[in-house]
Amino acid sequence: SYDLTQPLSVSVALGQTARLTCVGNNIGSKNVHWSQQKPGQAPVLVMYRDNDRPSGIPERFSGSNSGNTATLTISRAQAGDEADYYCQVWDSSTWVFGGGTKLTVL
Amino acid sequence: EVQLVESGGGLVQPGGSLRLSCAASGFTFSSYEINWVRQAPGKGLEWISYISGIGSVVYYADSVKGRFTISRDNAKNSLYLQMNSLRAEDTAVYYCARGGSGTYSAFDIWGQGTMVTVSS
Repeated sequence: SYDLTQPLSVSVALGQTARLTCVGNNIGSKNVHWSQQKPGQAPVLVMYRDNDRPSGIPERFSGSNSGNTATLTISRAQAGDEADYYCQVWDSSTWVFGGGTKLTVL
Repeated sequence: EVQLVESGGGLVQPGGSLRLSCAASGFTFSSYEINWVRQAPGKGLEWISYISGIGSVVYYADSVKGRFTISRDNAKNSLYLQMNSLRAEDTAVYYCARGGSGTYSAFDIWGQGTMVTVSS
């Protein structure tokens, strides 16, 4: 089975840039999607197909994917960005989620 | 408004059965793939099942294969998850999530979730 590895936690100072990684074997050959989940809420899609933003998602959110690492970058981090973030890919007729990263904005 | 609303969760004993429903509104239901995703308390997201727009293709995670069955009724704009032989480890919030345009697309709409607790 395909595995996606995300750091358990990332901290970023208010107004600075956070980079959340998602590591998988040759993940650069796959479409990577990212969802944000705040406590007690359902997930929300924040990036799809590596670097496309759904409507309503700020331009501060961007994505990249190459080699074995996909990255979700959040510029000018705000308190409201504090949440769990999950990467996701389709592989061998299954959807695979990473374990999730808790982003803390200091 | 584009919306998915789950229902049918509750408390069930180990070995029991439960049927979850997901009601869709605000979009052409039959044109979209739908998935079930669950989240155990304090844990991450786990995909468990997929169904194509017309219901002809289904996939399951190994953890539920042979016990859970996904289905849909496009005339009723509804998705279902029949869960049999439930185990304590099936305890989770269950979400239905819409795949976006195209095939095997990102989940662009999520329901609010329904809680399933398996306990004696």
